[in-house]
Amino acid sequence: DTEVTQTPKHLVMGMTNKKSLKCEQHMGHRAMYWYKQKAKKPPELMFVYSYEKLSINESVPSRFSPECPNSSLLNLHLHALQPEDSALYLCASSNRVPGELFFGEGSRLTVL
Amino acid sequence: AQSVTQLDSQVPVFEEAPVELRCNYSSSVSVYLFWYVQYPNQGLQLLLKYLSGSTLVKGINGFEAEFNKSQTSFHLRKPSVHISDTAEYFCAVSSLYTGTASKLTFGTGTRLQVTL
Repeated sequence: DTEVTQTPKHLVMGMTNKKSLKCEQHMGHRAMYWYKQKAKKPPELMFVYSYEKLSINESVPSRFSPECPNSSLLNLHLHALQPEDSALYLCASSNRVPGELFFGEGSRLTVL
Repeated sequence: AQSVTQLDSQVPVFEEAPVELRCNYSSSVSVYLFWYVQYPNQGLQLLLKYLSGSTLVKGINGFEAEFNKSQTSFHLRKPSVHISDTAEYFCAVSSLYTGTASKLTFGTGTRLQVTL
């Protein structure tokens, strides 16, 4: 199983809503990532978890809150988002090969 | 700081023609270099990687890349493209590796458009 599964695939939310994006992998990888990708742009790193601990936070606004309940799961909690936060949110995982990330298909978020 | 520059935002090519997508990197230390592909409405997939050793790297789907330290380049090539190769291609450099986690810096991407 070499898949990273993200749910939901599409999400529409208002600026006052609270929602969560979920990511799951069963490859035994010990690092998991959240990236944000705007249209026609490269992915931008948001957070990295290594061994279930937050190791990189790229100065992301607090309205995005990551959580890693166990080594297979990664969540991104969303609250009080802005329309400019609309984007494709990509989850990835990796193990011991430098730079070899396995990406999910993404969750497309629209903030109204 | 490490960075990559993709010189072409779009590359149109006819099916069965060869293609080269250009990538230059900037780094003061040893580099790990990568090419990722993103098909429409999908996540990214690793095409190939250079970590060390042979400068000619072969990847999936018939792609290959050559690491050139003197020219600080890592260009991606395919001798004969197919319609299904139409996608966005990202060159990337790993600026941090902790033993499990990598911090990748992506280039701006090159849109490969293959037509009949």
